[in-house]
Amino acid sequence: EAGVTQFPSHSVIEKGQTVTLRCDPISGHDNLYWYRRVMGKEIKFLLHFVKESKQDESGMPNNRFLAERTGGTYSTLKVQPAELEDSGVYFCASSQVGMGETQYFGPGTRLLVL
Amino acid sequence: AQSVTQPDIHITVSEGASLELRCNYSYGATPYLFWYVQSPGQGLQLLLKYFSGDTLVQGIKGFEAEFKRSQSSFNLRKPSVHWSDAAEYFCAVGQVGEKLTFGTGTRLTIIP
Repeated sequence: EAGVTQFPSHSVIEKGQTVTLRCDPISGHDNLYWYRRVMGKEIKFLLHFVKESKQDESGMPNNRFLAERTGGTYSTLKVQPAELEDSGVYFCASSQVGMGETQYFGPGTRLLVL
Repeated sequence: AQSVTQPDIHITVSEGASLELRCNYSYGATPYLFWYVQSPGQGLQLLLKYFSGDTLVQGIKGFEAEFKRSQSSFNLRKPSVHWSDAAEYFCAVGQVGEKLTFGTGTRLTIIP
């Protein structure tokens, strides 16, 4: 069974540009989460999808971040326009409802905004 | 508000020595507790989890953790570390179907 995959693995952009991160959850997992780790800090929650619906977006830092999960499969996280403080590692995780709800994480996307 | 404290930012241990990584949490209800590990260049891998029942939980790679409700702790242990255990370890707390709250992580260095 394939794990959670994320694309790209690395992205370097300039301040003011747009970047779109993609996450493909484990097949059949209805829960999809986005987290972010800024250098030296803890991993922080951004938002949670159940299928295509946003269950909790309390961690989204501001309206420059837009997350979508069309059709309840893969998800994208767009940052527009990117700022220096958006640099960090963006993790995606998925879990299956009713199976202990263990979250399985992807390898992360390392974003550097210059 | 829920929080997780990992008081040790960096720990250095000799190969073959025992290991204990500390984790304290603050949570309003009975929490689900997790330890994840991130090896260099890799994503987060689940080591073990506690939902209920036996407070001593066994995980992968020879790790175990003990839930102590009275101390709000969930410390991770391994009797004998291997060089391949060098990584960053994260303690996390949450509830079913909800976000996880992580600690800041403990970086483990193994010396020969």
